Amino acid sequence: SQTIHQWPATLVQPVGSPLSLECTVEGTSNPNLYWYRQAAGRGLQLLFYSVGIGQISSEVPQNLSASRPQDRQFILSSKKLLLSDSGFYLCAWEREGENEQYFGPGTRLTVT
Amino acid sequence: AQTVTQSQPEMSVQEAETVTLSCTYDTSENNYYLFWYKQPPSRQMILVIRQEAYKQQNATENRFSVNFQKAAKSFSLKISDSQLGDTAMYFCALRATGTASKLTFGTGTRLQVTL
Repeated sequence: SQTIHQWPATLVQPVGSPLSLECTVEGTSNPNLYWYRQAAGRGLQLLFYSVGIGQISSEVPQNLSASRPQDRQFILSSKKLLLSDSGFYLCAWEREGENEQYFGPGTRLTVT
Repeated sequence: AQTVTQSQPEMSVQEAETVTLSCTYDTSENNYYLFWYKQPPSRQMILVIRQEAYKQQNATENRFSVNFQKAAKSFSLKISDSQLGDTAMYFCALRATGTASKLTFGTGTRLQVTL
């Protein structure tokens, strides 16, 4: 069976500090991977997606970047966090050619 | 552009009763998928049910069923025999077919199941 992991689960960082959130998927190969952000009381907003190693598409230009150094690893980064980067970050995967996305447990980021 | 609208921010239902959550959407695509996701207090997003737009038959999953009205661009979720564990945020979502198409989410409906 497939599982998706995210870490850390929670993170508190000061404004201007760097960020690295990691997402890994087990039990499948060549998945499509997604990063979403959920602001408090809001729906999910797609940030980045990737269809393969080194292939990143950005949906919303902002203070964040993403990388996919390995087939089942997806990283969300920032060089300098802003207060507005606070939120709940969810990683999701789907099998190539299918249409259902499965979500990880999420990371709650608070920028102070 | 795709949009998804959930006009009910909060709803409440008594245990064992039936509740219907509303969702409308807009898309220029002819082929697409619609989903309902559940987000309990743990905040894990859980897929509840999906509907392919080309299928006329409404999808069902145990106590969960949908009323899909393609012409009206409406996709409501019915929960029968509500249980306390159904308490959660429910999100309606839409995606076009094709590789790595994004999910567009509504703003959610907070459902509270009471005794």
